[in-house]
Amino acid sequence: DTEVTQTPKHLVMGMTNKKSLKCEQHMGHRAMYWYKQKAKKPPELMFVYSYEKLSINESVPSRFSPECPNSSLLNLHLHALQPEDSALYLCASSFRTSGASDTQYFGPGTRLTVL
Amino acid sequence: GIQVEQSPPDLILQEGANSTLRCNFSDSVNNLQWFHQNPWGQLINLFYIPSGTKQNGRLSATTVATERYSLLYISSSQTTDSGVYFCAVRTSGSRLTFGEGTQLTVNP
Repeated sequence: DTEVTQTPKHLVMGMTNKKSLKCEQHMGHRAMYWYKQKAKKPPELMFVYSYEKLSINESVPSRFSPECPNSSLLNLHLHALQPEDSALYLCASSFRTSGASDTQYFGPGTRLTVL
Repeated sequence: GIQVEQSPPDLILQEGANSTLRCNFSDSVNNLQWFHQNPWGQLINLFYIPSGTKQNGRLSATTVATERYSLLYISSSQTTDSGVYFCAVRTSGSRLTFGEGTQLTVNP
């Protein structure tokens, strides 16, 4: 099974709301990723977790707060977002972060709209 | 950082036609993946191909690592092939760098 699941599929939130995105995989992968994708652009890396520890933060604003409670779960906590944060948020996983043969598998994404 | 260029940016085909998508990259890579993003946003793995040639049904891919390019071939295209095709590469560490993509439209 090469499936990464994400919930919710769609999310509409106001600028004062707090919400969370959830990502789950059961492939035994130890690396998990959050990407942000704006319309007609490629995905942009936000965060990388390796063995449940944050290994890369691509200078993402603090209104985005990632969390990796265990090796199968990845959350992205959202607070005080701006309308320009509206985008498709993609989660991915791979066996490791640095193995040359590691394929990243992507979830279906959460389409976020900030009003 | 590494540069990834994909061509053409847009491609319109009639059903049944063949096509070739190209990905050029500016440095040696240890990971190259081709993805298809469907109209609903799902990124689907097509190939992991840092070098050599692979085939999967109507799709095949070739990467010539020494010349820093990869090609994705789609034969007998179908309307369900429509979407954006991304090439993504990694040189070291964990960052995948994506190209800007090729928007493919297959008309019935």
